[in-house]
This record gives sequence, structure tokens and C-alpha cells, in this order.
Amino acid sequence: DAKTTQPNSMESNEEEPVHLPCNHSTISGTDYIHWYRQLPSQGPEYVIHGLTSNVNNRMASLAIAEDRKSSTLILHRATLRDAAVYYCILRNTGTASKLTFGTGTRLQVTL
Amino acid sequence: DGGITQSPKYLFRKEGQNVTLSCEQNLNHDAMYWYRQDPGQGLRLIYYSQIVNDFQKGDIAEGYSVSREKKESFPLTVTSAQKNPTAFYLCASSIGRGPHNEQFFGPGTRLTVL
Repeated sequence: DAKTTQPNSMESNEEEPVHLPCNHSTISGTDYIHWYRQLPSQGPEYVIHGLTSNVNNRMASLAIAEDRKSSTLILHRATLRDAAVYYCILRNTGTASKLTFGTGTRLQVTL
Repeated sequence: DGGITQSPKYLFRKEGQNVTLSCEQNLNHDAMYWYRQDPGQGLRLIYYSQIVNDFQKGDIAEGYSVSREKKESFPLTVTSAQKNPTAFYLCASSIGRGPHNEQFFGPGTRLTVL
């Protein structure tokens, strides 16, 4: 499976944008980029996914580099409820049966 | 409301006892999954099922068993053969197994073996 690399932790102030990076230099052409987040003591929650083009939804935006070797999850205005561990995951047809979670990025949001 | 339920939220068992964790979904999803999470770690896949009466082993299936007799139910049994069963167990479902399908997760069951 292609691997992803994320910073262990990041901090943000409330109401400010947050850019969470993910490197995936060995990504294949058929890998989708997924983001999930996990709040303390809860199950993970889907955030967004994309293949080649940038994507927006009500929760966040996903910016994908032109060579697809990196991507950035953008939270436009962080709130205290966004404090969670964010996971960047690659999925293709062969690995679609599972989500391979790394250790993710722990986002702290302060007032 | 549609969703995934897992029960109980906390479970305590004595070493050597089998225990079954419940997972139910009313999303009409075909695929269901069981993951295990240890402190400070990501999730690891135990078993998954794409359709009723069919399931496959994941990365860490030893010491676990599952059944899929109904579309909405996918119980996980932690047997006495599982050497280190204390963990946070998460059930998930998705409409299909395609790489673009999101997985919906339940709230989890925290199992402690004494």
C-alpha cells in the first residue's frame, strides 16, 4: 500500500483557517485521497475525498498538488469542535476493503 | 435516524472468556467492517464482509470470529485465543467496497479484559 506522511500535531486559533498537510510520494494513478477525523473516544468520521481535482464540501476543502504527491486539508474557520486527530488515507480498488490508518495529525484549537 | 449502533459502550471480561460485540446498521449498506484501535495508534482491520453470509479476514484476524447472517448485523466474537484483547473496537459500514465510498463508523466498544 502507498504510504502517507503527516505531522504528529498542529495548533490553531479558533476562527482561523487550518491547513493540514499530507505527503504521499508513492501514490498511484488509481489511488483516491481520503480524509477522516476522530474526536476523542469516538469513531472516525469521514471528512472529504478526491482523486485529481480540488474538492469542497460543507466540512472542508481538499487541495491536491498537480503531481498528486501531496495534498492539504483546509478547514476554513477552525472551531473548538474541530479538535481531533486527522487521518490522510489512500484507497484504490485493490485496497478498497479497508482503510489503512496511520497515526494522523492531532489538531489542537485554542481560543 | 440512520446510523450504526454498537453495544455496549464499555465491556469488562475475565481472561479466558469469549465475548461478543454487537454491531447493527440501518443504512442498508452491503459492506461492514470491524477495526481495532490501541492507544495512540490508528485503526487496524480485523474482518470485513461485502454481502450476507460472506466475510474475509483483515490484517489481524487471529483470535477473532464474525458472522453475517443478516444484512444489518455483523457481530464480532473475541475469543480466548486473542492474546491481547483489551482495545477499542470500531464497527463501520459502507454502501459498497469501491475506493470512492465513505465508511460510516459506530461509536465503538471499549473492551477491557481483566
